Amino acid sequence: KQEVTQIPAALSVPEGENLVLNCSFTDSAIYNLQWFRQDPGKGLTSLLLIQSSQREQTSGRLNASLDKSSGRSTLYIAASQPGDSATYLCAVREGGSEKLVFGKGMKLTVNP
Amino acid sequence: GAVVSQHPSRVICKSGTSVKIECRSLDFQATTMFWYRQFPKQSLMLMATSNEGSKATYEQGVEKDKFLINHASLTLSTLTVTSAHPEDSSFYICSLAGDADTQYFGPGTRLTVL
Repeated sequence: KQEVTQIPAALSVPEGENLVLNCSFTDSAIYNLQWFRQDPGKGLTSLLLIQSSQREQTSGRLNASLDKSSGRSTLYIAASQPGDSATYLCAVREGGSEKLVFGKGMKLTVNP
Repeated sequence: GAVVSQHPSRVICKSGTSVKIECRSLDFQATTMFWYRQFPKQSLMLMATSNEGSKATYEQGVEKDKFLINHASLTLSTLTVTSAHPEDSSFYICSLAGDADTQYFGPGTRLTVL
């Protein structure tokens, strides 16, 4: 059974820091991996999607990497801003399925 | 990406009543929609996969007679929580399968059962 873990569960940093968010998964037979952002009481916004054949994806200040063989992904946030404060969720899509398996998320607080 | 709406955004009901939650795709015809449930500080858990015109596929441990799903059109799926109890209080989120292997999520519905 696929399990997705995100550690730590919460992180509080001053504005301007470069951040690394970690995600690990137990079964490397994934189709793709996605990083989402969730604001309090809201739905999910897709940030980056990495196919299983890819190593990384970039969008603005965000960069996500994938090491499928070791079951790890990282989301790198450059020059963090208070507006980046949210919960960040990692989800893997398993091969042969449309099902997404989510981690519990990491609550990020960026202080001005 | 696709725009997904949910209605209502919040609902409070008495124990034993039934609650219907709508999920609409505003600009995308979705043959497949998904319903998730999220308890506080927990992961989103897939409850069921809804395919237009056919019966939903439920995940293990989800009671199909309690959580009724109807995907009657390419733009609308509904989740009805029948005889709701306090333990059903949760955040319910729908999503639809879009192009480019991604899913587009609705804003969620907060259900509180008293």
